Amino acid sequence: EVQLVQSGAEVKKPGSTVKISCKISGYTFADYYIHWVQWAPGKGLEWMGFVDPEHGHTVYAQTFQGRLTMTADSSSDTVFLEVSSLTTQDSAVYFCARGFGVFAHWGQGTLVSVSS
Amino acid sequence: DIQMTQSPSSLSASVGDRVTITCQATRDISNYLNWYQQKPGKAPKLLIYDAFKLERGVPERFSGHGSGTHFTFTISSLQPEDTATYYCQKFDNDPVISFGGGTKVEIK
Repeated sequence: EVQLVQSGAEVKKPGSTVKISCKISGYTFADYYIHWVQWAPGKGLEWMGFVDPEHGHTVYAQTFQGRLTMTADSSSDTVFLEVSSLTTQDSAVYFCARGFGVFAHWGQGTLVSVSS
Repeated sequence: DIQMTQSPSSLSASVGDRVTITCQATRDISNYLNWYQQKPGKAPKLLIYDAFKLERGVPERFSGHGSGTHFTFTISSLQPEDTATYYCQKFDNDPVISFGGGTKVEIK
């Protein structure tokens, strides 16, 4: 069974950095890209980017203006999302999703709260 | 980047009604269009992929049509458990993914 299990909720101060993990199981880590999607209160889904776990290649959405780092660790079958220079606007649920464009498998979501 | 415009942003309908949501792309995306259902506090669930293909296990009252720049998503007979927000999402040769703004569906 394909599973994507994300790390727990985070509370951060403005200006800080958060790092979220997404551990996969049930398939070969290198076979699928992992995408990240933001779901902010009162807003829709916002695509953030993806990482190719096999080659480490990344593509990021311009919306996040260079504040993102997505990495993959094949030793632990885990993908990471790092968001820097946090503001209150980054308070949201972050999802990882498997695929090249069709996302049938998602993580459960990680709530990030940014508050002073 | 290709933008996806989804309408309406919300709707209210009765159980048994036929409900249709539209999604317009700013450029031709062939049939590289998916539809998701999201309930509060949950991850999105894939319902339709490649514009019209029903994901395994999804009830047949859900359907999708269209190609190029204009797409529709239909619930043929709305059920109470269909209360959710629905999103279209494009994917094509451009590595950038885009979601529509979402349509919140409620029961009257």
